[in-house]
Amino acid sequence: QQPVQSPQAVILREGEDAVINCSSSKALYSVHWYRQKHGEAPIFLMILLKGGEQKGHDKISASFNEKKQQSSLYLTASQLSYSGTYFCGTGHSGGGADGLTFGKGTHLIIQP
Amino acid sequence: NAGVTQTPKFQVLKTGQSMTLQCAQDMNHEYMSWYRQDPGMGLRLIHYSVGAGITDQGEVPNGYNVSRSTTEDFPLRLLSAAPSQTSVYFCASSYSDHRDYGYTFGSGTRLTVV
Repeated sequence: QQPVQSPQAVILREGEDAVINCSSSKALYSVHWYRQKHGEAPIFLMILLKGGEQKGHDKISASFNEKKQQSSLYLTASQLSYSGTYFCGTGHSGGGADGLTFGKGTHLIIQP
Repeated sequence: NAGVTQTPKFQVLKTGQSMTLQCAQDMNHEYMSWYRQDPGMGLRLIHYSVGAGITDQGEVPNGYNVSRSTTEDFPLRLLSAAPSQTSVYFCASSYSDHRDYGYTFGSGTRLTVV
């Protein structure tokens, strides 16, 4: 069953913050986050593993609440280059050994 | 280091034809998987492999076969193409159980079945 992402779409001005949520009805081992620009392949952003953790680099960070089976991606002081579709992918064994189940995506548009 | 290479980039098939989508990686990744991407549906897992000689089905395996005879190659075969298989297909690979490493995706194959 696909994880549910929210919101489906968001439009921001450059410099504003965004939060994208990912919720699963199944127990999770890992949550992956990817960004995809139109006509291109998804690009890996970060992975969070069971045990509950937070990660971040530069102005993009994420959290994983294992008990609630939820993850959130935080984009701080957004830049034009952050535009694209963000996908969470959930893994139920290992670091994604059995592949990932992806949400339907969140479209992020950053305007100047 | 080419990463994940998919061929062809574009393909048009007639209903009932068969074909193989090629995927090769040169990063010595253990995990490989195939996804299809349709508008509004996100990426859906077709088949995956945790190593040479080991494959298993994902969410939407019907109409597709895979094999993994080497670590590097993971071809996807369409047995008898149907219009419902019109999609963009992505191959992806990853190391096993690495804390900070996700999947690397190929550039995709855009398939149209008429």
